[in-house]
Amino acid sequence: KQEVTQIPAALSVPEGENLVLNCSFTDSAIYNLQWFRQDPGKGLTSLLLIQSSQREQTSGRLNASLDKSSGRSTLYIAASQPGDSATYLCAVKSAAGGTSYGKLTFGQGTILTVHP
Amino acid sequence: AAGVIQSPRHLIKEKRETATLKCYPIPRHDTVYWYQQGPGQDPQFLISFYEKMQSDKGSIPDRFSAQQFSDYHSELNMSSLELGDSALYFCASSLGSGAGDTQYFGPGTRLTVL
Repeated sequence: KQEVTQIPAALSVPEGENLVLNCSFTDSAIYNLQWFRQDPGKGLTSLLLIQSSQREQTSGRLNASLDKSSGRSTLYIAASQPGDSATYLCAVKSAAGGTSYGKLTFGQGTILTVHP
Repeated sequence: AAGVIQSPRHLIKEKRETATLKCYPIPRHDTVYWYQQGPGQDPQFLISFYEKMQSDKGSIPDRFSAQQFSDYHSELNMSSLELGDSALYFCASSLGSGAGDTQYFGPGTRLTVL
């Protein structure tokens, strides 16, 4: 059974800092990994998707890397802003088992606070 | 760009009542997923459909059922509601379910069971 863990559970940084969020997963047989942002009580916004054959993806100030063999991904946020404050979730789409493909298994999330 | 539409956005029910949640995927998307997110929890996969057929099943209670219709919209039917069913229910859609297929999430339906 795939398990996804995110570290740290919460992070508070001053505006302008670069930061790294970590995600690890137990089963390396994955199709892809997605990073999401969730504001309190709101929906999930997809930030980046990394396919299992890729090493990283970039979008603006965000860069996500994937090391499938070690079961790790990082989300790097450059020059953080107060508007980046949210919960960041990583989720993996497992390839193992055949019948389980398609669904996402989520981590518990990292609550990020960027203060002015 | 069109997004995933969920209705209703908020729903309040009494214990033992029934509820129906609706999901309208992004046009041309053929795969729909349902997730449940309890307070302070991460989203948990319930069930998915590909081309109107159930493709995978997660931790969905027997009291719940779902289907995908010919126009690709999906409905999650919940019966004999319990207090523990109070959660945010997300629908997501994708075009196919391969490695490069991003799942796009709707805004969610917040169900409160009193």
